[in-house]
Amino acid sequence: KNQVEQSPQSLIILEGKNCTLQCNYTVSPFSNLRWYKQDTGRGPVSLTIMTFSENTKSNGRYTATLDADTKQSSLHITASQLSDSASYICVVSDVMSSGNTPLVFGKGTRLSVIA
Amino acid sequence: NAGVTQTPKFRVLKTGQSMTLLCAQDMNHEYMYWYRQDPGMGLRLIHYSVGEGTTAKGEVPDGYNVSRLKKQNFLLGLESAAPSQTSVYFCASSYYRGNRMNTEAFFGQGTRLTVV
Repeated sequence: KNQVEQSPQSLIILEGKNCTLQCNYTVSPFSNLRWYKQDTGRGPVSLTIMTFSENTKSNGRYTATLDADTKQSSLHITASQLSDSASYICVVSDVMSSGNTPLVFGKGTRLSVIA
Repeated sequence: NAGVTQTPKFRVLKTGQSMTLLCAQDMNHEYMYWYRQDPGMGLRLIHYSVGEGTTAKGEVPDGYNVSRLKKQNFLLGLESAAPSQTSVYFCASSYYRGNRMNTEAFFGQGTRLTVV
């Protein structure tokens, strides 16, 4: 069964500090992986996408890494801000095949940045 | 473009009542999804559609029905609401190019449903 596991479930950090969120997946065959940010009361919004051939991709203070061999991804947030408080969701896609859910969602990591 | 629009935004139902949630997208996306999100559970897929006239079950389909009569609309129905269906419902859409599924799902703003 295709699964996406995220850790930690929740995280509290001080404003200005860095943090790293983890995503492990069993989705196969793998197409791409995306990190989403979900603010409270809102729908998730895409932060970055990683394809099979990419190892690192940055979007401002967010840097995502991917190791397709070990099926692991991480999202690193640098110099955190209060506005980074949100849930971060890892989503993996397999090549569309019969019987498979097209997108597999992790349960997310709830990040709280405090002053 | 409005993106993905869900109606209504809030609703309170009595147990046993029925209702339909409407999702509309103006991006000409092939795929549409309905998710529910409960505290500590993350997003769980209820039903999805890969094109007009087609639907498929997701992870938690029981108690829900869906229809995709038009490409831009995806309806989620609750025939007999139960308190266990109290949740926040999100609709999303995504597109498909070549032989690779694009993971960028565009989400609506959510519908908060309470069943009493």
